[in-house]
Amino acid sequence: NAGVTQTPKFQVLKTGQSMTLQCAQDMNHNSMYWYRQDPGMGLRLIYYSASEGTTDKGEVPNGYNVSRLNKREFSLRLESAAPSQTSVYFCASSEFGTGWVQPQHFGDGTRLSIL
Amino acid sequence: QKEVEQNSGPLSVPEGAIASLNCTYSDRGSQSFFWYRQYSGKSPELIMFIYSNGDKEDGRFTAQLNKASQYVSLLIRDSQPSDSATYLCAVKGGKLIFGQGTELSVKP
Repeated sequence: NAGVTQTPKFQVLKTGQSMTLQCAQDMNHNSMYWYRQDPGMGLRLIYYSASEGTTDKGEVPNGYNVSRLNKREFSLRLESAAPSQTSVYFCASSEFGTGWVQPQHFGDGTRLSIL
Repeated sequence: QKEVEQNSGPLSVPEGAIASLNCTYSDRGSQSFFWYRQYSGKSPELIMFIYSNGDKEDGRFTAQLNKASQYVSLLIRDSQPSDSATYLCAVKGGKLIFGQGTELSVKP
């Protein structure tokens, strides 16, 4: 049982390049999330998908797009990478998107550096 | 004012002591409260959640919630060096908001 799997684990990009971060969960969860974590900033929500077929902006969506490909997979795309997007990106999933108690299960993260 | 605030630390305690981690939040409508532990270079893992005023105990961990004061805390009894990590408080009102985390160091 892998839980939440993110690929790649590390990536270095040049400014202006594009890339897609992949995330898949095998827990049959309805909701999936993308966060970024910067030093001293905690986790900030980029986008989330409460259920298959829906996506919504979080706290810091600018410069990103997402696709909920199916119930298992939720990808994050950087169309034109900028140095300010250097961060650690975490994908997470939870059973319900609007549940009263909403524990989230996290992937191992993608460490992204943009030069 | 940040929506969820934690002291960034580091908080240093000797092995065997009680570590007390605190979190305040601004949304009075918040319903659920979570504590995550994050080891350096790793992903956050859920260790406790609480949604009613009072205390909730799980092994060496106790979460305390006071909605009137908009305050949630995590106590770790008999602290071990393996407890050394960053502890993230997360609060769910309309959305889930994370604090910036408190770094805990338990010295042998």
